[in-house]
Amino acid sequence: GQQVMQIPQYQHVQEGEDFTTYCNSSTTLSNIQWYKQRPGGHPVFLIQLVKSGEVKKQKRLTFQFGEAKKNSSLHITATQTTDVGTYFCAVSGGYNKLIFGAGTRLAVHP
Amino acid sequence: EAEVAQSPRYKITEKSQAVAFWCDPISGHATLYWYRQILGQGPELLVQFQDESVVDDSQLPKDRFSAERLKGVDSTLKIQPAELGDSAMYLCASSWGQSEQYFGPGTRLTVT
Repeated sequence: GQQVMQIPQYQHVQEGEDFTTYCNSSTTLSNIQWYKQRPGGHPVFLIQLVKSGEVKKQKRLTFQFGEAKKNSSLHITATQTTDVGTYFCAVSGGYNKLIFGAGTRLAVHP
Repeated sequence: EAEVAQSPRYKITEKSQAVAFWCDPISGHATLYWYRQILGQGPELLVQFQDESVVDDSQLPKDRFSAERLKGVDSTLKIQPAELGDSAMYLCASSWGQSEQYFGPGTRLTVT
């Protein structure tokens, strides 16, 4: 079935440094969603990418969808302690079904 | 802002006992999902409902897990009997069509 690999598993940065997480698939994706889960919390939707080569920005967050629609990235510029959490990509596994990556856990030290 | 409600938030049970979780999705969301999330992993879909019908339960351990959404609104997930390996966070989510999913706060289950 559909699988998605997410790297790195864990990233530790100093506040103010940049952070990037990558999501890779062996097959062409129809779309990809990104979620954030704070420690002790539940996943919260961030964005959905649909078009090849699409780039979307939300303040300090930049999301990209690869030209071949097989990979995606989330980049955070100048991390803050509020960015702490686990970032998941999720891909379509059929009718409204999402398959989540294992997530990248971000730790930000002040 | 509308939210997905879940109860209980925490549940401790002994192995071989029965346990049930409840979820009330956002009003108007026809699709409801139950996920299991093991610590350090992403959510794994257990069952998906479209209104009152099961759309996908391929990953639901049907010998011990059951789920229902009788009136197409709220839903119950049951485990009987619980096993030690069932300890996890059980998340409910809902969505309107093929859009983003809204997650509830989850039920953290500990089986002793």
